[in-house]
Amino acid sequence: GAGVSQSPSNKVTEKGKDVELRCDPISGHTALYWYRQSLGQGLEFLIYFQGNSAPDKSGLPSDRFSAERTGGSVSTLTIQRTQQEDSAVYLCASSPEANRYEQYFGPGTRLTVT
Amino acid sequence: GEDVEQSLFLSVREGDSSVINCTYTDSSSTYLYWYKQEPGAGLQLLTYIFSNMDMKQDQRLTVLLNKKDKHLSLRIADTQTGDSAIYFCAEGGGYNKLIFGAGTRLAVHP
Repeated sequence: GAGVSQSPSNKVTEKGKDVELRCDPISGHTALYWYRQSLGQGLEFLIYFQGNSAPDKSGLPSDRFSAERTGGSVSTLTIQRTQQEDSAVYLCASSPEANRYEQYFGPGTRLTVT
Repeated sequence: GEDVEQSLFLSVREGDSSVINCTYTDSSSTYLYWYKQEPGAGLQLLTYIFSNMDMKQDQRLTVLLNKKDKHLSLRIADTQTGDSAIYFCAEGGGYNKLIFGAGTRLAVHP
């Protein structure tokens, strides 16, 4: 079946602009996660959505970062007033209710802030 | 705090076994994971082990967990060139964030 999809695959933006990154989880998956992978580093947790519960935003690095999940499916990660240190690959993952220990990742969005 | 550490690089000859090691700090972790990332691709879940297990085998992959020492390893038998990738160790549990290591780059040479 279809995996996690993300768009765009690449985004180049100027410093100070806002960007929106989109994630379509696997159909029926109830949990959705955003991570960030900076060059040469491991993944850093950003935010987690589970059903209708309040999201866990503990990993968001600043108030310029926000995310929403509409209708329990698609999620959008928004970065306002982008900075060069925001340049990274942003990865989305989803988990099914039946096997909630498994996180399946999308291909990521490579964000470059110039 | 939570931390996961891995060696950064491993080079093996094709056909040999590869062993990638990882240490973690959170003793409450329920699951320990291995993910594979090939160039330009997303992360692929390879395998995971529940914290009350010592070993899990899946075809060419063997995961060993030493909970006392908080040490996890991934053994790849008969390593092939297609196994060249970055391997990430991660800890977590249930509906929870995963804490990842920085990744071990595995290079397989003839």
